[in-house]
Amino acid sequence: QLQLQQSGPGLVKPSQTLSLTCAISGDSISSNSAAWNWIRHSPSRGLEWLGRTYYRSKWYNDYAVSVKSRIIINPDTSKNQFSLQLNSVTPEDTAVYYCARREGGYFDLWGRGTLVTVSS
Amino acid sequence: QSVLTQPPSVSGAPGQRVTISCTGSSSNIGANYGVHWYQQLPGTAPKLLIYGNSNRPSGVPDRFSGSKSGTSASLAISGLQAEDEADYYCQSYDSSLSSVVFGGGTKLTVL
Repeated sequence: QLQLQQSGPGLVKPSQTLSLTCAISGDSISSNSAAWNWIRHSPSRGLEWLGRTYYRSKWYNDYAVSVKSRIIINPDTSKNQFSLQLNSVTPEDTAVYYCARREGGYFDLWGRGTLVTVSS
Repeated sequence: QSVLTQPPSVSGAPGQRVTISCTGSSSNIGANYGVHWYQQLPGTAPKLLIYGNSNRPSGVPDRFSGSKSGTSASLAISGLQAEDEADYYCQSYDSSLSSVVFGGGTKLTVL
């Protein structure tokens, strides 16, 4: 069954690292046509694309300028999943975080979302 | 402030037709990048509604249609139903930002 299963903590302290994982079922993270993305949604920032990882004979990553200095997205081929690390978080990073597959420019498969609150 | 501009809200009575606009610029919609639309029901993830300006994924009713002209795009919903009440987002790509961009979202209320 084609789906993305997210996991990770819902509460992170300020200045610490937000870590989430997205497990892929029904597709391969090494697909030559898909890219694997993280997107977040907050009332103040709306939907915001954070970055992606994808395989085209080798691995590539792209990140949004707004988080480029703080973000790492890693593929894990052994577990067919990918992860998000966002460092030095502040309350502004409080949002619902989604993982999503992008093919042909659009996001056709989404995880259920994880509400991450940044608070002490 | 979102790169793509949508009206914050639209409304219509059951059976009516509504449209939601998405205005961009020469570096995104006007640069011939595809416009895609998503429907988000409360408490759920966005769902792909229209891709490539006007194409419907399998399972999306033909009451939903999309179009694009110049630096703008539109989503039309005809024969409004109560279940259409949701938030709608447009999405494209911006070459100046080298980034996927979204609209700010439009809340559809079915009266």
